[in-house]
Amino acid sequence: SYVLTQPPSVSVAPGQTATIACGGDNIAGKSVHWYQKKPGQAPVLVVYDDSARPSGIPERFSGSNSGSAATATLTISRVEAGDEADYFCQVWDSRSDHPEVFGGGTKLTVL
Amino acid sequence: QVQLRESGPGLVKPSETLSLTCSVSGGSMSRYYWSWIRQPAGKGLEWIGRFYTTETSSYNPSLKSRVTMSLDTARQQFSLRLTSVTAADTAVYYCASTPKAYCSGDSCYAGWGQGTLVTVSA
Repeated sequence: SYVLTQPPSVSVAPGQTATIACGGDNIAGKSVHWYQKKPGQAPVLVVYDDSARPSGIPERFSGSNSGSAATATLTISRVEAGDEADYFCQVWDSRSDHPEVFGGGTKLTVL
Repeated sequence: QVQLRESGPGLVKPSETLSLTCSVSGGSMSRYYWSWIRQPAGKGLEWIGRFYTTETSSYNPSLKSRVTMSLDTARQQFSLRLTSVTAADTAVYYCASTPKAYCSGDSCYAGWGQGTLVTVSA
């Protein structure tokens, strides 16, 4: 089945930019979604279809999925303490018998 | 976006059946597809399956033989049954909603419940 790879952790100082990668075979050909997960809370969709933002999600959250690198990226600008969370990428591989795939998650630490 | 709330026993004995219910409020269930996802402690998210219609569902191959999902639109409830549970099924279980025609391939989860912890132990 399809595999998504994320770095276990990313650290960034407040006000700086955090970049979280999600790698997968030919990922540029898939739609990537991103979720924020804080301890004890439900996951929140922060980016869908590579770069679209749901209503209510700050513009500081952006996504990309293009280029030669086999990675999609979630970028959080002007990072705040409240952004500290786990972030998961997700794709739907319609040709697989296991179509739903989540990355292992990246812990974002705000220093 | 609809509001979701999971409920069910927090403790299930090994080899027994785990049954959870997701109660939905604030909108019509027919406008969404419905899924169950779980997260074992300290681990990532694991997809359990998605319900489209009574005739069409998609399940994680590793769980397919043990999983049943059903929808009761009159009661605004979505249910999960997982049989023959083991300690490996201990996790926080989430129900999740996908608005139809919201994201590519109807593949994203725009709504989530708060989750319910299920522990499998004698």
